Amino acid sequence: AQSVTQLGSHVSVSEGALVLLRCNYSSSVPPYLFWYVQYPNQGLQLLLKYTSAATLVKGINGFEAEFKKSETSFHLTKPSAHMSDAAEYFCAVTYNFNKFYFGSGTKLNVKP
Amino acid sequence: DVKVTQSSRYLVKRTGEKVFLECVQDMDHENMFWYRQDPGLGLRLIYFSYDVKMKEKGDIPEGYSVSREKKERFSLILESASTNQTSMYLCASSSSGQVNFEAFFGQGTRLTVV
Repeated sequence: AQSVTQLGSHVSVSEGALVLLRCNYSSSVPPYLFWYVQYPNQGLQLLLKYTSAATLVKGINGFEAEFKKSETSFHLTKPSAHMSDAAEYFCAVTYNFNKFYFGSGTKLNVKP
Repeated sequence: DVKVTQSSRYLVKRTGEKVFLECVQDMDHENMFWYRQDPGLGLRLIYFSYDVKMKEKGDIPEGYSVSREKKERFSLILESASTNQTSMYLCASSSSGQVNFEAFFGQGTRLTVV
């Protein structure tokens, strides 16, 4: 089965520090890739998506992700964390536009 | 603004009750999904539908059924609720086209079965 692995269920950074959230997919066929954010007791909101147009994808709120086929990775980064970035982040893939597979999520804590 | 609306934010039901969770989308999307979210497990697909009256089982369909009589509405049914179905339920929809095909999510329904 296709799968998505997010390394680290909890990540803690200081405000102003670099944010790095890791995502790897397991497939020989490059999928379409997404990062979603979830604030407490809310649904998921799209941060960014990779559609093969460019390997470096910029999203909302200053986040970006780079698709690396050789590493089967799509890590999410933000140069400088803000308190409002504290949330849970999910990586997701789809291969055929009608089924999405999600990672187990990474909770980001931002310390003042 | 695109919208996926789930009928309830919070529900408390008794063991053995039949439970209906409703989801409506206003984007004319072909695909609709029901996920269950539990801590540490991410989102697990229960069922999805790619057209009216069409459905496919996801990874954890046991104890659930679905109904899609109209394109905009997708219902999740717990035939006989059990305490292990206490969870957050998320509905989503997406287009089958090759542009803007990401999944759009509702706000979620937190179901407690007592």
